[in-house]
Amino acid sequence: AQSVTQPDIHITVSEGASLELRCNYSYGATPYLFWYVQSPGQGLQLLLKYFSGDTLVQGIKGFEAEFKRSQSSFNLRKPSVHWSDAAEYFCAVGALGADKLIFGTGTRLQVFP
Amino acid sequence: KAGVTQTPRYLIKTRGQQVTLSCSPISGHRSVSWYQQTPGQGLQFLFEYFSETQRNKGNFPGRFSGRQFSNSRSEMNVSTLELGDSALYLCASSPDTDYEQYFGPGTRLTVT
Repeated sequence: AQSVTQPDIHITVSEGASLELRCNYSYGATPYLFWYVQSPGQGLQLLLKYFSGDTLVQGIKGFEAEFKRSQSSFNLRKPSVHWSDAAEYFCAVGALGADKLIFGTGTRLQVFP
Repeated sequence: KAGVTQTPRYLIKTRGQQVTLSCSPISGHRSVSWYQQTPGQGLQFLFEYFSETQRNKGNFPGRFSGRQFSNSRSEMNVSTLELGDSALYLCASSPDTDYEQYFGPGTRLTVT
């Protein structure tokens, strides 16, 4: 069965520090992979996606993610975190194409000044 | 282009009642998916509609149903509400299969 694991429930970083959020997936075929961000009381905003091709994908707000098939991972990175990045981040895999998303449990990011 | 809109944004219902939530996708998008988000279960897929047909369905009881209209707008219905149905219900749209989904702000349903 398809699944997504985000091992870190809560991460705290200082503003300006680098960030890496981990995501591991389990899926039999070539996965469609996504990172979404959710601010309190809001819907989900797509940060970036991987469907095929270059394994390093660039997204909005300075985020990037790298698809590593051998490790079944799709970690999200940002070189310098801003206070406005504080939110919850969800990794998702698309089952049956991208019509049905299976989400991880999320990682809550807290940013200290 | 306007984003995905959901109405109402907030709703309070009583156990046993039924509720209908509405979703208007981004113009030109034909696929609409629904998700339930709760603190305990996280984000779970409910169902997906494309061209007025349900294409995929998650593991939810039959009390949860949906439909899609010819203009791609979608509604979901929950009958005989239970306390555990309290959640944020998110709608997402995409142009077609194999495209990323764009989410609306959600409808916060509280069942008392």
